[in-house]
Amino acid sequence: GAVVSQHPSRVICKSGTSVKIECRSLDFQATTMFWYRQFPKQSLMLMATSNEGSKATYEQGVEKDKFLINHASLTLSTLTVTSAHPEDSSFYICSARDWRGGQSEKLFFGSGTQLSVL
Amino acid sequence: GENVEQHPSTLSVQEGDSAVIKCTYSDSASNYFPWYKQELGKRPQLIIDIRSNVGEKKDQRIAVTLNKTAKHFSLHITETQPEDSAVYFCAASIGNQFYFGTGTSLTVIP
Repeated sequence: GAVVSQHPSRVICKSGTSVKIECRSLDFQATTMFWYRQFPKQSLMLMATSNEGSKATYEQGVEKDKFLINHASLTLSTLTVTSAHPEDSSFYICSARDWRGGQSEKLFFGSGTQLSVL
Repeated sequence: GENVEQHPSTLSVQEGDSAVIKCTYSDSASNYFPWYKQELGKRPQLIIDIRSNVGEKKDQRIAVTLNKTAKHFSLHITETQPEDSAVYFCAASIGNQFYFGTGTSLTVIP
């Protein structure tokens, strides 16, 4: 399947700092990427849909000013957690759809980023 | 919007037995149904998927069935092995959106 790379895999930061997470589609172009948050032993909670060249679409209850998303190219989307606080500690995962012929529906995930805010 | 329910939330089976996980969805417009396996701290991995114009699909020990009329789909794992232990998520897709079930933690007891 397609490869989605996510970095960093783990971040520990002090409260009040900002953290940037990168999501890259390595072998395909992704006009749309998705950002999820996952708490331990829970499902994937969609935070926002990242659209290349336009503003992201945020889910209800997700603060757009706190979780900044930039999708400047067809292979890169970034999520910046601004002024992080302990309650932002979580596992963040990105995903992208591979629209190449015969695989238009398939959604592939990045490896996730474990954010710990002290 | 779409609502996906998944049962059971936890499942324990003896090695070699079969495991079945069931999901229901609410929107008849959903047309693609993937299943993901997620090991602790890892990314969800696509293990099998099915489109709405197909009733059943099989890949070695894994199979998925879809009943569009009843709006439910199931994952079947036969001859389970300890390495099948993980959390499994179902999903339903409409257009560009995916809606995930709440997950099933499967434990295969050696």
